[in-house]
Amino acid sequence: DAGVIQSPRHEVTEMGQEVTLRCKPISGHDYLFWYRQTMMRGLELLIYFNNNVPIDDSGMPEDRFSAKMPNASFSTLKIQPSEPRDSAVYFCASSLAGGQNTEAFFGQGTRLTVV
Amino acid sequence: AQSVTQLDSHVSVSEGTPVLLRCNYSSSYSPSLFWYVQHPNKGLQLLLKYTSAATLVKGINGFEAEFKKSETSFHLTKPSAHMSDAAEYFCVVSRGNGQNFVFGPGTRLSVLP
Repeated sequence: DAGVIQSPRHEVTEMGQEVTLRCKPISGHDYLFWYRQTMMRGLELLIYFNNNVPIDDSGMPEDRFSAKMPNASFSTLKIQPSEPRDSAVYFCASSLAGGQNTEAFFGQGTRLTVV
Repeated sequence: AQSVTQLDSHVSVSEGTPVLLRCNYSSSYSPSLFWYVQHPNKGLQLLLKYTSAATLVKGINGFEAEFKKSETSFHLTKPSAHMSDAAEYFCVVSRGNGQNFVFGPGTRLSVLP
């Protein structure tokens, strides 16, 4: 497996524009996570899914953020409208439920810059 | 509830000297514990994990960590630092069910020549 794949790797957009980040988890994994990383706040869990169903979205900062997982192999994180304070690196991760191999596998991240 | 404390935000060592990165955790459950490393402008890579087997866990690149339940600690060590070890290190606690990963704030390791 190629691991968790995120796209794009870098995104620069203007304030007020819609931004969509994409993630392909490792095949067969049960959980998918979206994290945001900033210098000020470190790594924050935004939302996670179990078998494509959102389980906990309490980390989503506000209604401008939304995430979907239409099938087991694809998820999106959308910001509409984007603001400069949304600038961060967004990571997607996936994991298996149960057993000994339950670590989270991370993608390379999407560096978002909102100007 | 679970939480992770990484006692040092920044550790600086000389190349060839030992590395110690400290981690203490709090968990209502028997925890799974992980160390991840993040090199500049890179993603997070798993270094090692504890999942209730051996308390001394060996990871990649010569790192190891020891689970001490009585001290609720999972410190990361390496006998001899290399320049390539300079990175951010995150201690993570989980319930061991593939979810509920709680990250510590991270420790930045600098290695001086």
